[in-house]
Amino acid sequence: GNSVTQMEGPVTLSEEAFLTINCTYTATGYPSLFWYVQYPGEGLQLLLKATKADDKGSNKGFEATYRKETTSFHLEKGSVQVSDSAVYFCALSDKNNNAGNMLTFGGGTRLMVKP
Amino acid sequence: DTEVTQTPKHLVMGMTNKKSLKCEQHMGHRAMYWYKQKAKKPPELMFVYSYEKLSINESVPSRFSPECPNSSLLNLHLHALQPEDSALYLCASSQTTVSFNVLTFGAGSRLTVL
Repeated sequence: GNSVTQMEGPVTLSEEAFLTINCTYTATGYPSLFWYVQYPGEGLQLLLKATKADDKGSNKGFEATYRKETTSFHLEKGSVQVSDSAVYFCALSDKNNNAGNMLTFGGGTRLMVKP
Repeated sequence: DTEVTQTPKHLVMGMTNKKSLKCEQHMGHRAMYWYKQKAKKPPELMFVYSYEKLSINESVPSRFSPECPNSSLLNLHLHALQPEDSALYLCASSQTTVSFNVLTFGAGSRLTVL
């Protein structure tokens, strides 16, 4: 079956530090990959996505590259801000899954950015 | 309008109560979803509606009853819940259930069962 593994948090960084949150996946088909962000007390927001190998998704200074050879989709940001403090979820959606748009989520990684 | 609106934001209910959660979207999306999220955990899929028909039920107990009265509305009827059902309930929608359609999530309804 499909699965997503993320690094456990919390990840605590100082403002302007470099961020990496690791994400690896296992899928039987050809998945699309996503990063969602959840700010305290809110629902999930799509941060970025990639639909095929070597695609790079980017948004708000965050980037992630779909690496099929390492089955990874690591999230990076060059300089984090206090406002980036949130929980980040890596997720996949398998095109060959009869259930279509079912998302398989990783466990989530809490990021705390200190001033 | 690019939002999914969920009401109420907070709900407290006893184990004998009957209540409903409501979700609305006006993006023309034909797939709608209910997820349950416990604290510090990822969301877990409960139900999927595709073109107003229930297409996936992830073995959810019958005390949760979904309803999709039209393409813009999704309800979750709650009856005889248990304290362990306390969670954040998230609604989402997408254009269709094709896998590259991005899900748009609502802010959630936080449910407490006493």
